[in-house]
Amino acid sequence: RKEVEQDPGPFNVPEGATVAFNCTYSNSASQSFFWYRQDCRKEPKLLMSVYSSGNEDGRFTAQLNRASQYISLLIRDSKLSDSATYLCVVIYPASGGYNKLIFGAGTRLAVHP
Amino acid sequence: DTAVSQTPKYLVTQMGNDKSIKCEQNLGHDTMYWYKQDSKKFLKIMFSYNNKELIINETVPNRFSPKSPDKAHLNLHINSLELGDSAVYFCASSHRLRNTEAFFGQGTRLTVV
Repeated sequence: RKEVEQDPGPFNVPEGATVAFNCTYSNSASQSFFWYRQDCRKEPKLLMSVYSSGNEDGRFTAQLNRASQYISLLIRDSKLSDSATYLCVVIYPASGGYNKLIFGAGTRLAVHP
Repeated sequence: DTAVSQTPKYLVTQMGNDKSIKCEQNLGHDTMYWYKQDSKKFLKIMFSYNNKELIINETVPNRFSPKSPDKAHLNLHINSLELGDSAVYFCASSHRLRNTEAFFGQGTRLTVV
């Protein structure tokens, strides 16, 4: 089983739609969770952190379910500019007391007019 | 005042050559990473250094040798380049103890011909 799994998509949605992505992780000792966004031929950039209580940033809402070991990202009122690949990132403890940042394969979102 | 910078941005070279990619961060982070993103867009961790010490080595061929002269720099040297090494290589940095997100460089697009 992969350490972090995402549906690769693509998700093709019209402008204004609401779209949700899920991500599951295998290591129950995972400590921190993030959603990153990657545009074509660019580096990944942090979109938002994911807290246990859930968090919202404008049109974006992230949720964490530790019991089921998944995180989600909800995008409301999709814009053309939301078209990108969304990467789920999990930090969990590796050997020697260090942490490992593991990326999911990413979910592609294409928003069309 | 780029936070994580890597050079070169593009690298085209012939099979069998040796090449290096450099990375520098000015964020005061203590942990740096190399990731490889292949044609399928999957971001896979290769190495992680903390305060110049190698802490993660993810089954990468010996032809890849990272070097960290200080905690602000992490370079990647690749010997005897192969066609399969063609990918985008991303450098990233983070704070180990704070479990915070990683910041990425712009990537180096390596093409081996």
